[in-house]
Amino acid sequence: ETGVTQTPRHLVMGMTNKKSLKCEQHLGHNAMYWYKQSAKKPLELMFVYSLEERVENNSVPSRFSPECPNSSHLFLHLHTLQPEDSALYLCASSQGFADTQYFGPGTRLTVL
Amino acid sequence: LAKTTQPISMDSYEGQEVNITCSHNNIATNDYITWYQQFPSQGPRFIIQGYKTKVTNEVASLFIPADRKSSTLSLPRVSLSDTAVYYCLVGDIPGEILSGGYNKLIFGAGTRLAVHP
Repeated sequence: ETGVTQTPRHLVMGMTNKKSLKCEQHLGHNAMYWYKQSAKKPLELMFVYSLEERVENNSVPSRFSPECPNSSHLFLHLHTLQPEDSALYLCASSQGFADTQYFGPGTRLTVL
Repeated sequence: LAKTTQPISMDSYEGQEVNITCSHNNIATNDYITWYQQFPSQGPRFIIQGYKTKVTNEVASLFIPADRKSSTLSLPRVSLSDTAVYYCLVGDIPGEILSGGYNKLIFGAGTRLAVHP
């Protein structure tokens, strides 16, 4: 247990669906992150929130929409995804921006 | 931006010491070196962090030479459960929203360690 939880752990969705991934950290951290990890590929940084302010990776398609309502919760809203978006989505938190990160278990997403 | 280079894969046997070297030739004065471990279908887990010389914790040791252009993660007496991907990251001090800070968020391909019986 790292103190970072993610739900759901597994998600299968069609290309026309809308779903959301949830991340919660119980560590009192001020920064939260979304990463994408496709099969056999390195982790790709998607979004960063520091003190609830978003620092965005510009290469992320608009079909991914993050939300950080407070420093403990982070969401990733998904809509009209493509099969190539199938991957492991990892959430992490850290005390400060770019500090040592604590990762959640991930959500395994499959887009049909 | 500091960039790291690691071997793509390594093989070892149970009980052996494993040393994984990471090259970071353009490391900056303020950069720290951080290592993570990742098991399949799990998030990476912090192992160790250092700035210079040697750091040791209950899991591993980190050796950093004087010029800091490389670092070596040492895993003593590995077991089958140490089979994982190991990542070396280099970046600025925590809390600083500078270009160096982002380096600590960028994971490379890592080193895939396979421990055999």
